[in-house]
Amino acid sequence: GEDVEQSLFLSVREGDSSVINCTYTDSSSTYLYWYKQEPGAGLQLLTYIFSNMDMKQDQRLTVLLNKKDKHLSLRIADTQTGDSAIYFCAESGSGGGADGLTFGKGTHLIIQP
Amino acid sequence: DAGITQSPRHKVTETGTPVTLRCHQTENHRYMYWYRQDPGHGLRLIHYSYGVKDTDKGEVSDGYSVSRSKTEDFLLTLESATSSQTSVYFCAIGDRLNTEAFFGQGTRLTVV
Repeated sequence: GEDVEQSLFLSVREGDSSVINCTYTDSSSTYLYWYKQEPGAGLQLLTYIFSNMDMKQDQRLTVLLNKKDKHLSLRIADTQTGDSAIYFCAESGSGGGADGLTFGKGTHLIIQP
Repeated sequence: DAGITQSPRHKVTETGTPVTLRCHQTENHRYMYWYRQDPGHGLRLIHYSYGVKDTDKGEVSDGYSVSRSKTEDFLLTLESATSSQTSVYFCAIGDRLNTEAFFGQGTRLTVV
């Protein structure tokens, strides 16, 4: 079945760049997403990338997609304390998201002062 | 923020009782979803709806039922709550054209 894998923790220093990685197995994925979850809150859509793109940039966020290796990454430039959260990678599958998304288990981003 | 409201936000119930969680949207999105979030599992899809009275099962549907009698409301029912259904439940909405899913704030359910 479909599977999305992420490392559980990432620790970075404030001001450095954070790179969160994700691998997926469904080669028919249409869209790939990054969500952010702060403590006690729902998931906030950060950005998404269509499967025929290899890069998308949005202010401090850069998404890279290597479709051949089924590898997705999220780079956060100039990491701030407000970036401390759990980041989820998700893919939409061949249904385009109409039948739900498959999520990774989430990466806890820890910011060191 | 997308207009999604979940109710209740917190609930404690006893094993064996029925429980209904409500998701209400004001975005007129066609697709609605119920996920549960558990430590070590991430988010898993319970049921989803692709229109009024059109629903289908997700990955972890056993013990749950859903109903959608109008576009804006999607109800999740635990027929007879068990301790394994203690979780945080999230509703999400989406429009296939945009393929984005917006999430509600979640309902924390504890079954004792």
